Amino acid sequence: NAGVTQTPKFQVLKTGQSMTLQCAQDMNHNSMYWYRQDPGMGLRLIYYSASEGTTDKGEVPNGYNVSRLNKREFSLRLESAAPSQTSVYFCASSELLADGYTFGSGTRLTVV
Amino acid sequence: EDKVVQSPLSLVVHEGDTVTLNCSYEVTNFRSLLWYKQEKKAPTFLFMLTSSGIEKKSGRLSSILDKKELFSILNITATQTGDSAVYLCAVLRNNDMRFGAGTRLTVKP
Repeated sequence: NAGVTQTPKFQVLKTGQSMTLQCAQDMNHNSMYWYRQDPGMGLRLIYYSASEGTTDKGEVPNGYNVSRLNKREFSLRLESAAPSQTSVYFCASSELLADGYTFGSGTRLTVV
Repeated sequence: EDKVVQSPLSLVVHEGDTVTLNCSYEVTNFRSLLWYKQEKKAPTFLFMLTSSGIEKKSGRLSSILDKKELFSILNITATQTGDSAVYLCAVLRNNDMRFGAGTRLTVKP
């Protein structure tokens, strides 16, 4: 049982390049989330998808776009990467929010 | 704006010590409060607290919520080096969770 799978695990980008972070879950969860984690800042919500076909902005959405491709997959796209987007990105999913999240193992992104 | 504040930000103790980690919150649409432990990778779930005054325990870890004063504490007794981690507090709202910045606990042998 894989849970939540994120790819890639590490990525280095140059300023202005674009990339997509992939997330897939095999637990048939309705809701999926993208967070970023920076030192001293905790985890901050970028976007979430409460169900297939819907997406909503979180606390720090600027510079990002998302796609809920189907129930399993929720991708995060950086159209023009900036050094301020250097961070560790976590994808999470939940069936009932009251049960908390299942997290992926994270993607460490560096923008130079 | 919703806030979750953890203290201290970091803590260094020796094996066998007891530690108390704090989490205060100001959140609309509060549903419950969760504690996570984060070592090298993804956070792992420790506790979910929904009701005031009811202590949750798991081995040497325990936690309690005060919904009147809007805070929670996480206690770890007889600490071990394996307890070294970042401990995250999160508040469950209607659609998502708001996290605190975390407390980095270092347990020295």
